[in-house]
Amino acid sequence: DAEITQSPRHKITETGRQVTLACHQTWNHNNMFWYRQDLGHGLRLIHYSYGVQDTNKGEVSDGYSVSRSNTEDLPLTLESAASSQTSVYFCASSDHGETQYFGPGTRLLVL
Amino acid sequence: AQSVTQLDSQVPVFEEAPVELRCNYSSSVSVYLFWYVQYPNQGLQLLLKYLSGSTLVKGINGFEAEFNKSQTSFHLRKPSVHISDTAEYFCAVFGGTSYGKLTFGQGTILTVHP
Repeated sequence: DAEITQSPRHKITETGRQVTLACHQTWNHNNMFWYRQDLGHGLRLIHYSYGVQDTNKGEVSDGYSVSRSNTEDLPLTLESAASSQTSVYFCASSDHGETQYFGPGTRLLVL
Repeated sequence: AQSVTQLDSQVPVFEEAPVELRCNYSSSVSVYLFWYVQYPNQGLQLLLKYLSGSTLVKGINGFEAEFNKSQTSFHLRKPSVHISDTAEYFCAVFGGTSYGKLTFGQGTILTVHP
């Protein structure tokens, strides 16, 4: 069955370190998205991609970057982790349509 | 840009009672509407969606939602809840001026008590 996976599921890091969260989907979807979930804010879009070599900034992109070298993967990099980036991160994908399928999430703690 | 407001952050209810989770949206153009459910320590799962046609949409686990264009609302309902419905529910809007992207509400935590 097609799926979307995220790794690691839990991560503890220190302020200032570079961190990369992986997202891999086997749906063969063109569109991929990264969100962060914080209490009282719902999910907020960090970055998104409509295809290979395409990346776009979402509403909370400062301090994050993504790259899309193939259809299946959209890694999210925190250039220099900050305590404000402690959150739960979700990856999602969709075909040309509107329904997004979500991964299980990564819990990140920045100390 | 569009926005989504979920009017209740927490909704406690007894088992077998009916429940309504409220969602209002704002958009200057037509959009698609969604409800997602998140069980503890899990990702988001699509509950139902409105794209066009009948304004009453039925989803999984006995949930339904009604699209009301004049009131810009998309409230979620279930006539009789179970303990297993305890979760966080998110309303989301797709399209309009933010083509290709979902805009989420803040979430409503539904807690079903025995």
